Amino acid sequence: DQQVKQNSPSLSVQEGRISILNCDYTNSMFDYFLWYKKYPAEGPTFLISISSIKDKNEDGRFTVFLNKSAKHLSLHIVPSQPGDSAVYFCAAQGAQKLVFGQGTRLTINP
Amino acid sequence: DVKVTQSSRYLVKRTGEKVFLECVQDMDHENMFWYRQDPGLGLRLIYFSYDVKMKEKGDIPEGYSVSREKKERFSLILESASTNQTSMYLCASSLAGRADTQYFGPGTRLTVL
Repeated sequence: DQQVKQNSPSLSVQEGRISILNCDYTNSMFDYFLWYKKYPAEGPTFLISISSIKDKNEDGRFTVFLNKSAKHLSLHIVPSQPGDSAVYFCAAQGAQKLVFGQGTRLTINP
Repeated sequence: DVKVTQSSRYLVKRTGEKVFLECVQDMDHENMFWYRQDPGLGLRLIYFSYDVKMKEKGDIPEGYSVSREKKERFSLILESASTNQTSMYLCASSLAGRADTQYFGPGTRLTVL
């Protein structure tokens, strides 16, 4: 039973355009949501997070939106850069642990 | 600079062998985690530990055990390796009460033949 789902395994975006990565969850008890970024041969690194009491958090080119009624969050990257090419994992925190989605491979084309 | 290291980047073992994966963190973190990453399944939590000698089952603990004798070290043990345990294994650590911001090691690619 996948509590956190990323339904798009891959996404291809032109450099300079906006990248939008999506994530859905089922457990309304999650209190914190995060995005991690993973390059090949490296462990995931924390990118940005949002508390369940907020609907938006922004950090430079990265913005995360949370829609609690729809149990949906998204990550916007604008403008997209070649170095953003990576696998992005959505995660939700509950009971002192994280539940991760399947990941979306983002490719930024020059 | 925070650091989580894993004993091997690549490991090849035979079915039935006992396998030890070691993880060490130098950040004095209380929490440590073991995940496996598989295509289409993302990261799945195997075991985690809040403190020395403490352990909690994650979502897929079957076939695995763990050991945490020292705060900085968390070991994952495959008692009798099977081919379906071929995977990328990732260790992570975090401060107490901060399971959100986890620091990951580079991973160990384990192949069981």
